[in-house]
Parts: sequence; C-alpha cells; structure tokens
Amino acid sequence: DQQVKQNSPSLSVQEGRISILNCDYTNSMFDYFLWYKKYPAEGPTFLISISSIKDKNEDGRFTVFLNKSAKHLSLHIVPSQPGDSAVYFCAASAHRFGNEKLTFGTGTRLTIIP
Amino acid sequence: NAGVTQTPKFRILKIGQSMTLQCTQDMNHNYMYWYRQDPGMGLKLIYYSVGAGITDKGEVPNGYNVSRSTTEDFPLRLELAAPSQTSVYFCASTASGNTIYFGEGSWLTVV
Repeated sequence: DQQVKQNSPSLSVQEGRISILNCDYTNSMFDYFLWYKKYPAEGPTFLISISSIKDKNEDGRFTVFLNKSAKHLSLHIVPSQPGDSAVYFCAASAHRFGNEKLTFGTGTRLTIIP
Repeated sequence: NAGVTQTPKFRILKIGQSMTLQCTQDMNHNYMYWYRQDPGMGLKLIYYSVGAGITDKGEVPNGYNVSRSTTEDFPLRLELAAPSQTSVYFCASTASGNTIYFGEGSWLTVV
C-alpha cells in the first residue's frame, strides 16, 4: 500500500521555465511534508518542508503548496536551472503524534533542458 | 562538518555471508534510521532508533538487525545475505522535530 505517491516517474522542463512536481498521499494522519532532492551516487538532501497548518511555504526558487482536502502537494521550481536536474522525493510523517518516521514516494526524475 | 557517515560505500557479498554497515553521526541526534532504496523505488524504512538502547522495526526489517549502544552509532547487520538484499542503503538522523539528514549511501550487491 503506497501511502505517498508520485505518479510521474520523469519530467523534462526547459531551462528558465517552471517545474511542477506533484505528490499525493492517502494517510490522513500525515501532518508534515518534505521534499528531498537526490543526485546520483549521493544521499537525499533536504529541500523544503511544509506543516499541515500551512498551505504554502516558499524558499527562494522553491515553493511547496499543500491542499489538505485533496491530500495533494506540489513543488514549484521557478526558474528552473540545469543544476535542478535530479530525482525529487516527496516524504511525509505524522509529526504531531511524535512519529518522526518518513514515508517516501517513489520519486520523480527532473531533467532541465538547456 | 561530517554529518552522517556510512561505511563501506561499496560491497559485494556472496549469498549466505554476513556483514555490518556502519553509521555514525556527530550532530548529537536522538533519532537514527536505516533506509533501503531499490531501483525505481522510494526509500523503505528498515529499522529506526529514538535514542541509545531503543530500536524498532520499520517497514522492511526481515533479514536485518540493528543495535544502538551509543547516541552516535547505529550499525545495520545483515545475516545470511540474500540476492533480495541487493540495494542501496542510507543511514539518516534527526533531532526531534527537525529535518532528517542522510548519509551518502552504501551500495551492496549480493551474488
């Protein structure tokens, strides 16, 4: 049972345009959501997070939107740069219940075309 | 800043052999985790620990064991290696309520 789903295995975007990565979840206990970026042969690195008390969080070129009623979140990257080419994982946890375990999606490979 | 350090980075094991993946963190984090990532899949939690002396199973614990004798170290033991354990293993840590930090990964092949 995949509780966190990233339905697009890959995405190609022109440099300078907006990249939108999507993530859906099924567990209503999840209240904290994160995006991780992963380059080949490296560990995942934290990108941005959002708590369920918010519907938007912004950090430079990266913005995460959360739609709790739809159990959907998205990551927007504007403008996209070649260095953004990586695999992006969505993750979720039931934070307020003291559960620090992360459940990950299967990832979306983003390719930025120069 | 060392962060989360895993060793070895690469290892080839024969079926039935045993080995230990080492993980250490220098951030004084209470929480530590072991994840595995199979090709085209997300990260699956194997075991985790909320502090020294406390460990618990994650989603895919079969074939593995862990211990947490100190805050810094969280080794993962593979007993009787099987081809299904061929994967990339990531150790991670966090202080409660904060971002989880990952090591660089250990590539394990069982032949």
